Amino acid sequence: DSGVTQTPKHLITATGQRVTLRCSPRSGDLSVYWYQQSLDQGLQFLIHYYNGEERAKGNILERFSAQQFPDLHSELNLSSLELGDSALYFCASSVGLSNYGYTFGSGTRLTVV
Amino acid sequence: GIQVEQSPPDLILQEGANSTLRCNFSDSVNNLQWFHQNPWGQLINLFYIPSGTKQNGRLSATTVATERYSLLYISSSQTTDSGVYFCAVATSGGSYIPTFGRGTSLIVHP
Repeated sequence: DSGVTQTPKHLITATGQRVTLRCSPRSGDLSVYWYQQSLDQGLQFLIHYYNGEERAKGNILERFSAQQFPDLHSELNLSSLELGDSALYFCASSVGLSNYGYTFGSGTRLTVV
Repeated sequence: GIQVEQSPPDLILQEGANSTLRCNFSDSVNNLQWFHQNPWGQLINLFYIPSGTKQNGRLSATTVATERYSLLYISSSQTTDSGVYFCAVATSGGSYIPTFGRGTSLIVHP
């Protein structure tokens, strides 16, 4: 157990639907990062939150949004889902902003049918 | 942005063999990490190593920041070492978000 908790582990949903992925960081970590991993794109950075504030955005679609709550857990919301959104979604946490190692959660496997 | 190249892309070994994985990057870095993604998809942080050498059991890593490369050594490989090894780097002067390489896929046969 890495200490980073992601739920659910698997999700199957239909095109056009909306889902929410949840991440609880390791105790003491203030940063939460979201990544998408698909076969053809590798690991792509989506968004970073530090202590409740958005700090960096990557290749995140407008249909996707995220937030970090006061208790530091984070949620990634994916809406108007398309077949191409099927992927593994990981969150990672770290102590600070930079110059720290990441600890990844076990991921959420999203299948859009 | 920073370019990250990992080699070889694929590696097949017999149990007990040693191997060296390489990560080349195009700019000065202040964050370099090695990860192992096991066949079940879990990503495990092996090393945080922006410079110098570290060892953890059968694994060790060396980063030569001035020459812009890092090496991951696996000794006496075991079947449980199978999976994909990623390096991720962030530049000193650019975005602090690490960029991942495409990975080295390792298969260790018994």
